[in-house]
Amino acid sequence: AQSVTQLDSQVPVFEEAPVELRCNYSSSVSVYLFWYVQYPNQGLQLLLKYLSGSTLVKGINGFEAEFNKSQTSFHLRKPSVHISDTAEYFCAVSVKDSSYKLIFGSGTRLLVRP
Amino acid sequence: GAVVSQHPSRVICKSGTSVKIECRSLDFQATTMFWYRQFPKQSLMLMATSNEGSKATYEQGVEKDKFLINHASLTLSTLTVTSAHPEDSSFYICSANGGVYGYTFGSGTRLTVV
Repeated sequence: AQSVTQLDSQVPVFEEAPVELRCNYSSSVSVYLFWYVQYPNQGLQLLLKYLSGSTLVKGINGFEAEFNKSQTSFHLRKPSVHISDTAEYFCAVSVKDSSYKLIFGSGTRLLVRP
Repeated sequence: GAVVSQHPSRVICKSGTSVKIECRSLDFQATTMFWYRQFPKQSLMLMATSNEGSKATYEQGVEKDKFLINHASLTLSTLTVTSAHPEDSSFYICSANGGVYGYTFGSGTRLTVV
């Protein structure tokens, strides 16, 4: 079975500081990896995804993530955060089988302070 | 891009009644849709995979008779919460695979059972 671990439930950071949100996954088969952002009482918006190819993936709003197969990680980074980045961030994996269902991590709340 | 419309956004119902939530893919066909449930400050838990023209596949622990899923067309999946009780109150989110656009999520439905 697949699983996703986001060790940090909340990450406080000052505006314009860099941030890294950690994500580790477990799977015995190949996976696709995703990061989503959720604002209060809204659905999820895709930040970026890794399907294949280059392990460094660039997404929207200045976010990027690096796939590390040996460490089974897919950490999300941003060099300089804004107040508007305050939200809940979810890492997810999709197994390359017939259903391609998404399995989500527990989420990390990014709290950007002025 | 791929858009998924979810309706209603909020619903309040009395205990014992049934509630139907609709999930529509607006500009693409979705043979597979997914239904998630999210408790406050928690992650998304996959409830079931909805397959067009066939029975839904439910995750372990999800009551099939409580959460009825119908995927009668390539653009519409519905989730009916039958005989709702206060413990069914939650945020329900649908998702569809939009091909090259990846997974697209609806904006969610806040269900409150009183």
